Amino acid sequence: EAGVAQSPRYKIIEKRQSVAFWCNPISGHATLYWYQQILGQGPKLLIQFQNNGVVDDSQLPKDRFSAERLKGVDSTLKIQPAKLEDSAVYLCASSYGTGMNNEQFFGPGTRLTVL
Amino acid sequence: DAKTTQPPSMDCAEGRAANLPCNHSTISGNEYVYWYRQIHSQGPQYIIHGLKNNETNEMASLIITEDRKSSTLILPHATLRDTAVYYCIVMEYGNKLVFGAGTILRVKS
Repeated sequence: EAGVAQSPRYKIIEKRQSVAFWCNPISGHATLYWYQQILGQGPKLLIQFQNNGVVDDSQLPKDRFSAERLKGVDSTLKIQPAKLEDSAVYLCASSYGTGMNNEQFFGPGTRLTVL
Repeated sequence: DAKTTQPPSMDCAEGRAANLPCNHSTISGNEYVYWYRQIHSQGPQYIIHGLKNNETNEMASLIITEDRKSSTLILPHATLRDTAVYYCIVMEYGNKLVFGAGTILRVKS
């Protein structure tokens, strides 16, 4: 089966610019996650969707980050305006459900560099 | 914050078993232990998970102590392709993964 798709793979922008990332989860997966991974650290959950509703966005910096999952399939994560500290890899993951036995499948990530 | 403690790095000879320890002394009764790994420039990959009993699949074995305060991931015959960061995670309610820094495993020929 096809895995989680993300685009673009790499993005370089200047601070105060805007950027958007796209994710297409595995077909049939109701739950979608966005993670931020800063160099040398483990991934940190930014937001979790169940279908097209937000389950957890407690770690999302809402003054500059936004995410949506229209129609409960694809999702976009936007940063506006970007700061230097937003340089990181942004990972999208999906799972069939939210129970304890549901493994998450990760995409390859988008590497963002803010200059 | 992550609820697990792992050594920062480990080395293993190719073809030998790699034993990766993890401490999770504050784990609660209904929380699972999950292991993921992340190969360089890729997203994390699920390996195995367990609640109380030892588990084995085609990738690895998971040994959980009887008091559930620690566990060991075993890669029975490590290869160079197993070089990665290994994350031990206690699964929180709602399928929320909280990653720590993990263990860098270097498999050497």
